[in-house]
Amino acid sequence: AQSVTQLDSQVPVFEEAPVELRCNYSSSVSVYLFWYVQYPNQGLQLLLKYLSGSTLVKGINGFEAEFNKSQTSFHLRKPSVHISDTAEYFCAVRESSASKIIFGSGTRLSIRP
Amino acid sequence: GAVVSQHPSRVICKSGTSVKIECRSLDFQATTMFWYRQFPKQSLMLMATSNEGSKATYEQGVEKDKFLINHASLTLSTLTVTSAHPEDSSFYICSASLGGDRGEQYFGPGTRLTVT
Repeated sequence: AQSVTQLDSQVPVFEEAPVELRCNYSSSVSVYLFWYVQYPNQGLQLLLKYLSGSTLVKGINGFEAEFNKSQTSFHLRKPSVHISDTAEYFCAVRESSASKIIFGSGTRLSIRP
Repeated sequence: GAVVSQHPSRVICKSGTSVKIECRSLDFQATTMFWYRQFPKQSLMLMATSNEGSKATYEQGVEKDKFLINHASLTLSTLTVTSAHPEDSSFYICSASLGGDRGEQYFGPGTRLTVT
C-alpha cells in the first residue's frame, strides 16, 4: 500500500527566506506525485505534479519540487517566500494504475515579516 | 478550464435532518468524482469514489447508508448526509477527474457543514 509522510507539521520562516517542505512516500509500484496548497476555508489548488520525465518540476507561484526515486522523496522548495504563501501544503501520491490519491498530513507554512 | 464547484459553501442543519451537497464540473465531463472529508487542521480523508452511472465505492469505515452518493451525470455528483449528528460536522471537499491513466483531480472549494 502507498503512503505519504510529511515530517514537518509546521514550518515558520521569515519573509524572503528560502523554504523546503519535505515529503517522502512509499509505494511498490510507479507513482505520480503532487503538491497542493490550501488557503483557509478553501479547497485545494494544484501547485505542481510529477508524472514522468524531468525530475525537477516547476509549478505556480515560484514553487518547484524534485522527484528523487532512490530516496523516495518529493520535497517542495521556494527560493524566496512571501506573506501570501502562508497556507497549508499537502503532498500527495497516486499509483499510476489507480485513480485514488493519498494525501500526506500537511505542513502549515507560516511566514513572518 | 477544469473548474469544479460545490454548493452550498456553508450549511448549518439541525441534528437528525439530512443535507445534500452538490459537486459540479463546470467545463468538463468527469468520469470519476471523489468525496473527501477534512477535520480541522487535518488532512483530507477519502470517503468514496463514484463513477457516473454506477454505485460509489466507499472507503473502509465510511458508512454508505449515512453518506449517500449519487453520480447521475458526467457533471454532477451529490453527497447526502442522512440523519446528521454533530460529529458529522466537517469540511467536505469533492474532486472530479477526466479519468484515464493520467487523470488529474480538480478540487472543489469545499462545503462547511455544521450540525447543531
